Amino acid sequence: EPEVTQTPSHQVTQMGQEVILRCVPISNHLYFYWYRQILGQKVEFLVSFYNNEISEKSEIFDDQFSVERPDGSNFTLKIRSTKLEDSAMYFCASSNSGNTIYFGEGSWLTVV
Amino acid sequence: QKEVEQDPGPLSVPEGAIVSLNCTYSNSAFQYFMWYRQYSRKGPELLMYTYSSGNKEDGRFTAQVDKSSKYISLFIRDSQPSDSATYLCAMSAMNQAGTALIFGKGTTLSVSS
Repeated sequence: EPEVTQTPSHQVTQMGQEVILRCVPISNHLYFYWYRQILGQKVEFLVSFYNNEISEKSEIFDDQFSVERPDGSNFTLKIRSTKLEDSAMYFCASSNSGNTIYFGEGSWLTVV
Repeated sequence: QKEVEQDPGPLSVPEGAIVSLNCTYSNSAFQYFMWYRQYSRKGPELLMYTYSSGNKEDGRFTAQVDKSSKYISLFIRDSQPSDSATYLCAMSAMNQAGTALIFGKGTTLSVSS
């Protein structure tokens, strides 16, 4: 069964450092997403991406965040200068048509 | 008022029990409702998808939507230890790719053998 894959599974970074989280969406999907889940909290929408453009973003997705599809298979989330409160599980997801989205296993980011 | 509310539990039941999981919401524009299952430190896995009011059944799982009460439910029949997980409700106003899903906080279920 096709799946969304994410790397790394866990990353520890110093506050102020840049982090890039990588994702390979399901191959025939056209829409890509990043969500995050702070420990013990809700899964929260960050951004959706289609046709090399951001479709929708939340208020969490400020200037510190950016997304990119650098090639035909990868989708990345960059956090420019990490803060302690960026510590969370980051989920990549993808979908074809409609709002049925499929999540990856997550990248656990710890900012120290 | 929070947009989507879900009792976090934990909910503990014996194997074979019928489980009822629920969410309430405040935004009357929500029309598309999903239930995801999430094992510890894993990504959410889509279980059920429903549109508007009514019931949908898939094996041991039944999803129910009551838009008039802004209340959705997931029933699990003949619960198994492998059903032990956190169950997340999610919803959106549009069936449009790229639209944000709004999640509840999740209910943690433990099924004992």
